Amino acid sequence: DTGVSQDPRHKITKRGQNVTFRCDPISEHNRLYWYRQTLGQGPEFLTYFQNEAQLEKSRLLSDRFSAERPKGSFSTLEIQRTEQGDSAMYLCASSLAFGQGSYGYTFGSGTRLTVV
Amino acid sequence: ELKVEQNPLFLSMQEGKNYTIYCNYSTTSDRLYWYRQDPGKSLESLFVLLSNGAVKQEGRLMASLDTKARLSTLHITAAVHDLSATYFCAVDRSSGGGADGLTFGKGTHLIIQP
Repeated sequence: DTGVSQDPRHKITKRGQNVTFRCDPISEHNRLYWYRQTLGQGPEFLTYFQNEAQLEKSRLLSDRFSAERPKGSFSTLEIQRTEQGDSAMYLCASSLAFGQGSYGYTFGSGTRLTVV
Repeated sequence: ELKVEQNPLFLSMQEGKNYTIYCNYSTTSDRLYWYRQDPGKSLESLFVLLSNGAVKQEGRLMASLDTKARLSTLHITAAVHDLSATYFCAVDRSSGGGADGLTFGKGTHLIIQP
């Protein structure tokens, strides 16, 4: 297993366009998380899944944002009608549900979004 | 609301010196995480501290956890330039013990000068 993979690594888009990011977690991990990190700040939690079920969404996740994990494997994060304030690094992480013999979260390399 | 506060937020130090980064948090969580981030890169896990009194060491870095004081420290011994990075501490978002994601501090931007 090569860890958590995110695609694309960089995305430049014009304001108002829709963008979609993909995350492939570690294969045996049943939990998957999305975070947003702006310059000079720590990552902020957006949402997470257990298998295909979306268990929680942060209030940071406006109705322009939607995340899916249709088969409990990879996940997508879509941003509709992008705004300049959406420019950030979007990080994906995966883990086992704690108590399954492992603690800790593994992060992907992130997708850097620039909205112009 | 869960808060995680790191200090200092910025630290410039000379090679060979020792220093400590502090992380205070407001939850009753027994777990605390330290990550390293290089510019433009993702987060690299350094330590996962799982209980009160936990101490872990890797090379020139040592992390400890005091759950009663809700305080973790990351100590740097005889710093070298390669340790220049931003260091984040984080705690589980809920104290219920489940893996429901992390709340991060703002990070400590560490520069080590020759």
